[in-house]
Parts: sequence; structure tokens; C-alpha cells
Amino acid sequence: DAGITQSPRHKVTETGTPVTLRCHQTENHRYMYWYRQDPGHGLRLIHYSYGVKDTDKGEVSDGYSVSRSKTEDFLLTLESATSSQTSVYFCAISDDRGRGNTEAFFGQGTRLTVV
Amino acid sequence: RKEVEQDPGPFNVPEGATVAFNCTYSNSASQSFFWYRQDCRKEPKLLMSVYSSGNEDGRFTAQLNRASQYISLLIRDSKLSDSATYLCVVRNNAGNMLTFGGGTRLMVKP
Repeated sequence: DAGITQSPRHKVTETGTPVTLRCHQTENHRYMYWYRQDPGHGLRLIHYSYGVKDTDKGEVSDGYSVSRSKTEDFLLTLESATSSQTSVYFCAISDDRGRGNTEAFFGQGTRLTVV
Repeated sequence: RKEVEQDPGPFNVPEGATVAFNCTYSNSASQSFFWYRQDCRKEPKLLMSVYSSGNEDGRFTAQLNRASQYISLLIRDSKLSDSATYLCVVRNNAGNMLTFGGGTRLMVKP
């Protein structure tokens, strides 16, 4: 299995509080992604990174920010959590050798509940 | 219209059956294609890449039709352990983003 870990694995937080999720990789892959998964919507891209300090928005970026100060770490921050951000969050990594068929590897997910 | 669309199912099939899933994508410039498998409350994992000429891996066969913009997955001789959600995934032409379909749920029964 690819060396990718997410922390925490589960979190319950109150509306309006800041929350930071961490993704750590040991594969030295260039690309890192944050997705959220919700019933009826599948996996949707929040933000991604293509290098240290290089990030870009995905499909559902509102209310989220990210940072990547080191190759191995990609942080997702909810500045002020809302109930609509209750979801399962997956981090993924991908190498950029991929002419084409470079796969993405996923972390085990973080279940976040905002009450 | 979603970029990547799948029939959510569920597909309920008996053991030993052959089952096929289709997936359509809207961006004709998409670069590459995959099928991922996701078990309940687990992370998605790569099942197989999909090549233009079609490819097979044991009981699994993937096909790509660029003209019609769809990909397919065929599972022969279904096993109970094949029960999962199958995600169609498309990489964009810049190569830096993966877009997921909503997934097709398969339930294989004894």
C-alpha cells in the first residue's frame, strides 16, 4: 500500500470552529488532492497541489483552504465549519510520471461531523 | 450535466453471472481512464486502467470508446467478494485532475 496517512480519522466539531485535516505521504509524489465524498455526489475535488506552495481550486473549494509547505504534507482547513461540511474527506496522491495512466492512491479517509 | 456519469444501481446479480457497467464522460479531450473499486466505508482503490485498445485482467475487461465517450467494465463469473461500488474515473487533458463518477453499486448474491 502507498504510504499515505490522514489524521485525524474521525472528528466531531461544532459549527463555527476551525478544523484542520492533515494528509502525510512518504512516496514523494508531486500531486496531492483533497476530495469529499457525500451520498448522491460521489467524490468531488476540493483543492489540489502540484508542488510545494503550489495549489489550485477544485470543484467545491468554497469554505476550504489548503497549504503545502513540504512535499509530504497537505493540510485542509475549514476556517469556520458548517453542517454542510459534514462529510468523509479523502486525500489522494499521484506521481507526475504519468503520461496517461498514472493512478492516484488514497488515504483511509477522515469522517468529519459538524454539529 | 455531470462530467462523468454512471448508473448508481444497485446491480443485484447471482454468483457466476456476468455483469457490465457503463460510464459516460463529457470532455472529449480527457486523457486517461480508470476503474476504481470502493468497499463500504473504505478508500477507493485502483481496479484497472482503461486503454484505448481495451484490456483484460482476469475476470475483468475494460473497454474505451472515444467516439461515443464512454467506458465500460465487464465482470465475468461474479464472486461474492466482487460486491462493492465501482467508480469510473477520468483524468483531464492537462493530466493533473481526476474526476469521479458517482459510482455503481454491485451486490453479488449466493
